[in-house]
Amino acid sequence: EAAVTQSPRNKVAVTGGKVTLSCNQTNNHNNMYWYRQDTGHGLRLIHYSYGAGSTEKGDIPDGYKASRPSQENFSLILELATPSQTSVYFCASGPRVQDTQYFGPGTRLLVL
Amino acid sequence: QQKVQQSPESLTVSEGAMASLNCTFSDGTSNNFRWYRQHSAKGLEVLVSIFSDGEKEEGRFTAHLNRANLHVSLHIREPQPSDSAVYLCAVSMGNAGAKLTFGGGTRLTVRP
Repeated sequence: EAAVTQSPRNKVAVTGGKVTLSCNQTNNHNNMYWYRQDTGHGLRLIHYSYGAGSTEKGDIPDGYKASRPSQENFSLILELATPSQTSVYFCASGPRVQDTQYFGPGTRLLVL
Repeated sequence: QQKVQQSPESLTVSEGAMASLNCTFSDGTSNNFRWYRQHSAKGLEVLVSIFSDGEKEEGRFTAHLNRANLHVSLHIREPQPSDSAVYLCAVSMGNAGAKLTFGGGTRLTVRP
C-alpha cells in the first residue's frame, strides 16, 4: 500500500504570510495531487503533477502554487495566505491517471 | 463541469443492518468510480473501485453502477461501529482520469 506523509500536520499562519505544505510518497508513483477539504464542498483539486518538474492546475488553483522537485516530493505554496485558505489539505499519489489515489493524513491549516 | 452529489447527508443504522449510500453524477462519459472512507481527522481509505455497469464486491462493501441513470451506490453488509465514518464518492470523467470529482460525503453512524 502507498505510503504518503504530510508535514506539518497542523499549522497556524498569519494573513499575508507564506506557507509551504510538504508531501512525500515512498512508492515511486508518477502522479501526485493536492486537495482541500471544506464543509459543504467535499474535496476539491488544487494542483497536480504527472512527474518531477511538472505541475498542472486543478479546479481551484488561484492563490496556490505547486512544486514537484522530485518523484517523491510535492509541495503546495501559499505565497500570501488569506483566512479563506483555512482548511484541511490532503496530498495524494497514484501510479497512473486511471488508478486509485492514495491519500496522506492531511494538514490542518488555520490562517488568522 | 462534473457535479457529484451524495445522499443522504447522514445515515444511522444498527449494527448488522445493511447500510446503503447513494451517489449521482452529471457526466455520462464518466468511467472511473471509487468509494472512499474517512475516519474522523484522518486520511481517506479506498474501499471499492468500479469501472463498468453492474456490481463490484470487496469484502463487506459492494458498489453498484448504472451509468444510464448516472448513479452509483455503496452497500455495506453487516456494518459495525468501527464503520462509522464519512463515505465519499469520487468520479472521473472520460480521459481526464487524473481529475477526481468528489461528492460532499455521507456521514454514517453505526449503533451497537
